[in-house]
Amino acid sequence: ETGVTQTPRHLVMGMTNKKSLKCEQHLGHNAMYWYKQSAKKPLELMFVYSLEERVENNSVPSRFSPECPNSSHLFLHLHTLQPEDSALYLCASSQGQATYEQYFGPGTRLTVT
Amino acid sequence: GQQVMQIPQYQHVQEGEDFTTYCNSSTTLSNIQWYKQRPGGHPVFLIQLVKSGEVKKQKRLTFQFGEAKKNSSLHITATQTTDVGTYFCAGRNFGNEKLTFGTGTRLTIIP
Repeated sequence: ETGVTQTPRHLVMGMTNKKSLKCEQHLGHNAMYWYKQSAKKPLELMFVYSLEERVENNSVPSRFSPECPNSSHLFLHLHTLQPEDSALYLCASSQGQATYEQYFGPGTRLTVT
Repeated sequence: GQQVMQIPQYQHVQEGEDFTTYCNSSTTLSNIQWYKQRPGGHPVFLIQLVKSGEVKKQKRLTFQFGEAKKNSSLHITATQTTDVGTYFCAGRNFGNEKLTFGTGTRLTIIP
């Protein structure tokens, strides 16, 4: 499946680094999402963008900063992360929000050292 | 806030046995979706249920939405090794488009 792509697939960063995760969807969808998946909380919604406007910010620390320049691209900018931020970060997209299924990308496995 | 719990958290079954996972919401849902995540993979949409008491089947998988629209179940008949993975339910409240994922049930198959 190549409908939703994410880069990089793996990322190791120090606590003082700044990095960005990229997501691209090729499905013509108008909603995009960032999720965090860890052993403690299986699928934790972080941010929702609908028509390039942020509609949900799920009490995420400011060290995570999303950006949605257009309906096909979504970024997650990372800075001064903590080791507990190590997780799989999944991007998803959907046609709309209310009743449509979400299509997930393969994820970025992030390790903060 | 809305909570969606799934039981069991883990299930180990012999190949050929049946498997059921249950999903319970603290609030009434407008619709519920089910996803499957293979080991090392990402969640993949399986089905959506909208109506009270709705039952849908996909080959060996049977999905049910409770009458009160607060619970749902996924039943797999005669499991196969390809069924291995974590099954998530995800529910939406009325008037809130946010999809809340359940805690997931990890299924392992003993050949």
